[in-house]
Amino acid sequence: KAGVTQTPRYLIKTRGQQVTLSCSPISGHRSVSWYQQTPGQGLQFLFEYFSETQRNKGNFPGRFSGRQFSNSRSEMNVSTLELGDSALYLCASSAGQRGNTIYFGEGSWLTVV
Amino acid sequence: AQSVTQPDIHITVSEGASLELRCNYSYGATPYLFWYVQSPGQGLQLLLKYFSGDTLVQGIKGFEAEFKRSQSSFNLRKPSVHWSDAAEYFCAVGARTGANNLFFGTGTRLTVIP
Repeated sequence: KAGVTQTPRYLIKTRGQQVTLSCSPISGHRSVSWYQQTPGQGLQFLFEYFSETQRNKGNFPGRFSGRQFSNSRSEMNVSTLELGDSALYLCASSAGQRGNTIYFGEGSWLTVV
Repeated sequence: AQSVTQPDIHITVSEGASLELRCNYSYGATPYLFWYVQSPGQGLQLLLKYFSGDTLVQGIKGFEAEFKRSQSSFNLRKPSVHWSDAAEYFCAVGARTGANNLFFGTGTRLTVIP
C-alpha cells in the first residue's frame, strides 16, 4: 500500500508570506503528526491530529497551525513566515494507538528568503 | 521530562566492520523506543522499535538493538556494515501522551569507508 505522501516536496517563500503543506497518511491511519527538522534544532514535534482533533501540541508559536480532514489527510499552515522557518517539514502517520508503528513521509523542504 | 541523548555526532567505520550507535533516554516509565535512519534529502525510515517483551529487537537491513533498563540505553548494532548504511541515524522515545509524538535525539551521522 502507498506510504505517507507529502506535497509539495520543495518550495520557496518570501518572508511574511504564508505556506500550506499537505500530508496524506497511509490508508487506514487516523493519526497524523508534523515535525520540523533543522540543522540547529534537530527534529521537533509540532502537533498531532487524530480523528480531526488536535491531540497534542509541541512548543511552537501560534503561527504554526494544522488541521485534519475526515479522510485523515492533514494540512499544516505557517503564517507570517520568518527566515528561521526554513526547514524540512515531516509528516508521520500511525493507526493512532500507543505502540503502533509510526511511518514518515519524504518531507517538504521549505526555504524562506 | 522525556529526552534522548545520542552522544556520538559522527562515527566513521570501515566497510565490513561492526557498528554500535549509542542512545540513552530519560523517561519516567517503560518507554517506547525507536531507531530511524535518514539518507540525505529523504524522510525517516523505521529500522526497529521496542515496546515490550524481548529486550533484543531485530530490525531491517540486519540491524538490532538492545533495551537495557538499568542503563537507560537502547543501542543500535550491526555486525558488518555496508557502504549503503552511510546515513544519519536517529533514536527516539515515544511521549507519554499521544500515540504519534516522538522525542528525537540529535542524530549520529555514519560514514562508511571502503
